[in-house]
Amino acid sequence: EVQLVESGGGLVKPGGSLRLSCAASGFAFNIYAMTWVRQAPGKGLEWVSTVTASDGSTYYADSVKGRFTISRDNSKNTLYLQMNSLTAEDTALYYCVKQRGDYWGQGTLVTVSS
Amino acid sequence: DIVMTQSPDSLAVSLGERATIKCKSSQSVLYSSNNKNYVSWFQQKPGQPPKLLIYWASTRESGVPDRFSGSGSGTDFTLTISSLQAEDVAVYYCHQYYTMPRTFGQGTKVEIK
Repeated sequence: EVQLVESGGGLVKPGGSLRLSCAASGFAFNIYAMTWVRQAPGKGLEWVSTVTASDGSTYYADSVKGRFTISRDNSKNTLYLQMNSLTAEDTALYYCVKQRGDYWGQGTLVTVSS
Repeated sequence: DIVMTQSPDSLAVSLGERATIKCKSSQSVLYSSNNKNYVSWFQQKPGQPPKLLIYWASTRESGVPDRFSGSGSGTDFTLTISSLQAEDVAVYYCHQYYTMPRTFGQGTKVEIK
């Protein structure tokens, strides 16, 4: 059974940092691209970042470029999102998503507030 | 960036009736080398993560009821629920994976009339 379990969310002050993790199981993690998608409270879906499987290339939404870093550890079947210089606009539920969107985690909530 | 625009923003349909959601991309998402449209559709129910319904614009994901169908090519796409059931109440999103950055439509809320 495929499982994606996010962790690391919480309350952080503006300008602060958080590191999200996504533990994957039930599939060959190392051969799939992985993505973070976020959803602000009551809003729609926003693609945040993707890391490929083949060469680890990374891609970012303009809204997070230069502040967020996506990475993966294939030996641990884990996806990460390092988030720096957080602002209130980053407040959202962050989902870990397997390549084509066939599996999503339950999400981890990030709240940026003073 | 490719902008995905859905219409309508919300619709109310009677049980057993057809629901139709449109999605228009700001540029073609048809890859000519394989003749595939890089569009998928997701369903999101309250308090749940999105669920993949359709990929390649018209291929139904395994386990998705056949009342859900996708169509279209190039820049214009449609998600159709042929006979709305109570469990189909949700927000539906189109999504393009033709190029980076990936983008989603703004969502269409489907309710029972």
